[in-house]
Amino acid sequence: SQTIHQWPATLVQPVGSPLSLECTVEGTSNPNLYWYRQAAGRGLQLLFYSVGIGQISSEVPQNLSASRPQDRQFILSSKKLLLSDSGFYLCAWRVTGTGFGYTFGSGTRLTVV
Amino acid sequence: AQSVTQLGSHVSVSEGALVLLRCNYSSSVPPYLFWYVQYPNQGLQLLLKYTSAATLVKGINGFEAEFKKSETSFHLTKPSAHMSDAAEYFCAVNRAGGTSYGKLTFGQGTILTVHP
Repeated sequence: SQTIHQWPATLVQPVGSPLSLECTVEGTSNPNLYWYRQAAGRGLQLLFYSVGIGQISSEVPQNLSASRPQDRQFILSSKKLLLSDSGFYLCAWRVTGTGFGYTFGSGTRLTVV
Repeated sequence: AQSVTQLGSHVSVSEGALVLLRCNYSSSVPPYLFWYVQYPNQGLQLLLKYTSAATLVKGINGFEAEFKKSETSFHLTKPSAHMSDAAEYFCAVNRAGGTSYGKLTFGQGTILTVHP
């Protein structure tokens, strides 16, 4: 079966510290992968997506970066966190081709203090 | 470009009452449409999707939605609300075909409250 793992579930980090959130998918190959951020009352904002290893597209300019070192691994990083980076981060994957929705991870609640 | 508008950031109903969550979309090409539900501090779960087959789509937990091209709408309904339906609901659109890479555009979400 296909599953998606995202960790950690919660994280409290000081301003200026680095960040690394990891997402892995099992039971599928060559998935499209996505990072979304959900800020309170602001819906879901697409941050990055990847259609293959080493292929990263950024949707909005920001303090974050993403990498895909393996087919089923997607990492969200920052060198120096800002207060505005606080939010709920969601990883998602979908099968290649149209008409398919996402499968989401359980999310990471990041609080920058 | 595509966009989604969810009318009403908060909807409150009594247990047993009809649930109606509104979603209007804008898309220059035939869309694929989705409804997701999110419980507190959890990821999103797919409720149902429209992919150009039947215009009335049935999903999990008794929810259904009807695609109306003339109204560019995809409203979510449930005949009788249950306490467990309290959650946040998101409508999303994906452009059919093309090179959208499966990117979904989400609405701002509607928080559903169910009163006993």
